[in-house]
Amino acid sequence: NAGVMQNPRHLVRRRGQEARLRCSPMKGHSHVYWYRQLPEEGLKFMVYLQKENIIDESGMPKERFSAEFPKEGPSILRIQQVVRGDSAAYFCASSPRGGATDTQYFGPGTRLTVL
Amino acid sequence: AQSVSQHNHHVILSEAASLELGCNYSYGGTVNLFWYVQYPGQHLQLLLKYFSGDPLVKGIKGFEAEFIKSKFSFNLRKPSVQWSDTAEYFCAVNANQAGTALIFGKGTTLSVSS
Repeated sequence: NAGVMQNPRHLVRRRGQEARLRCSPMKGHSHVYWYRQLPEEGLKFMVYLQKENIIDESGMPKERFSAEFPKEGPSILRIQQVVRGDSAAYFCASSPRGGATDTQYFGPGTRLTVL
Repeated sequence: AQSVSQHNHHVILSEAASLELGCNYSYGGTVNLFWYVQYPGQHLQLLLKYFSGDPLVKGIKGFEAEFIKSKFSFNLRKPSVQWSDTAEYFCAVNANQAGTALIFGKGTTLSVSS
């Protein structure tokens, strides 16, 4: 009964490199959410995806960030040409139905450090 | 825009003391309310949630929260805290009409001394 899995748990990148963060939702869940937590801040919504579809990307920065949730495999959050301001904890959550009353189950997060 | 405010950044209590963490939100429509907890080194876990019905909601580990619509509040309470309750607590809201994304407060760190 595995929960939401994220990898890597820690990722270090130099400025200008690419970061790829992976999220495997709970078994039976087809809805995935990505959140970012900056130091001393609460979690901020980034994007909501269903299999092969982006449902809501209202929280995604307009440039350098993209997300996908393919038919097979984990959801990927990709950050191109990282900058120091991208250093944060990135959390993935999944839910079974995607409704507003659904509980979102969170993964352990990926802590990205940009040098 | 929706927002969530948690009044206390850091709360320090002794074991057996009573706890109340404040949470206020700004949204005039129907909302769904959540409290999540993050124990040291662990991921976020749901403590309790409110959608409708009885405004006093009971969650896991002896926690409860009361939804007061007129005050736009959803405060978390526990009558007697334990050392193991040391954690960070997040209040979150979403509105049925605004999608399913959760809006989080900045969190309250609770430190319980034995």
